[in-house]
Amino acid sequence: DVKVTQSSRYLVKRTGEKVFLECVQDMDHENMFWYRQDPGLGLRLIYFSYDVKMKEKGDIPEGYSVSREKKERFSLILESASTNQTSMYLCASRLPGYGHEQYFGPGTRLTVT
Amino acid sequence: EDKVVQSPLSLVVHEGDTVTLNCSYEVTNFRSLLWYKQEKKAPTFLFMLTSSGIEKKSGRLSSILDKKELFSILNITATQTGDSAVYLCAVEYNNNDMRFGAGTRLTVKP
Repeated sequence: DVKVTQSSRYLVKRTGEKVFLECVQDMDHENMFWYRQDPGLGLRLIYFSYDVKMKEKGDIPEGYSVSREKKERFSLILESASTNQTSMYLCASRLPGYGHEQYFGPGTRLTVT
Repeated sequence: EDKVVQSPLSLVVHEGDTVTLNCSYEVTNFRSLLWYKQEKKAPTFLFMLTSSGIEKKSGRLSSILDKKELFSILNITATQTGDSAVYLCAVEYNNNDMRFGAGTRLTVKP
């Protein structure tokens, strides 16, 4: 049974704090993704990674960074959290190339106060 | 600009009704279109469509793609309360790009 896990389901942080969101997949997938999901806007891609130590900016990378030191783990970092980063964050993984569905984690609902 | 547009954004029906959800797209080098169902957790995969006119079916759900008119529909017949969810459409394009629509929130009332 394929599995993508995220470190927290709910998180509350203060403005200016550094925030780490962790994602782990056990399917040996090369590609991993971080999205944020907001009402009316759907899923928007923040960053993705094709392989270990590789990263590419998505549509909304500002205010975020990522780290992929191991194939199974993809971390999203908010260097200095702001209230407009309050959102649902979803991690996904899939096989490389096209024609493969993404497998999603359960999401982390982050509130920045 | 590449875009994926879903309609309607929300829909309320009663059990037993049939619903049709729409997804239109404008992308370069289309590869495939995917439908996901999202309840209060991770989106789960429903269908992947790559060829026009070939219906994919799973129980009461079915979907078809029209690559000439650049859209897909997801049909749900004899809806049940368990079908209540957000339905997401995603389009793969170019070499490794994927774009999601905003989703359609379906509520099925008993």
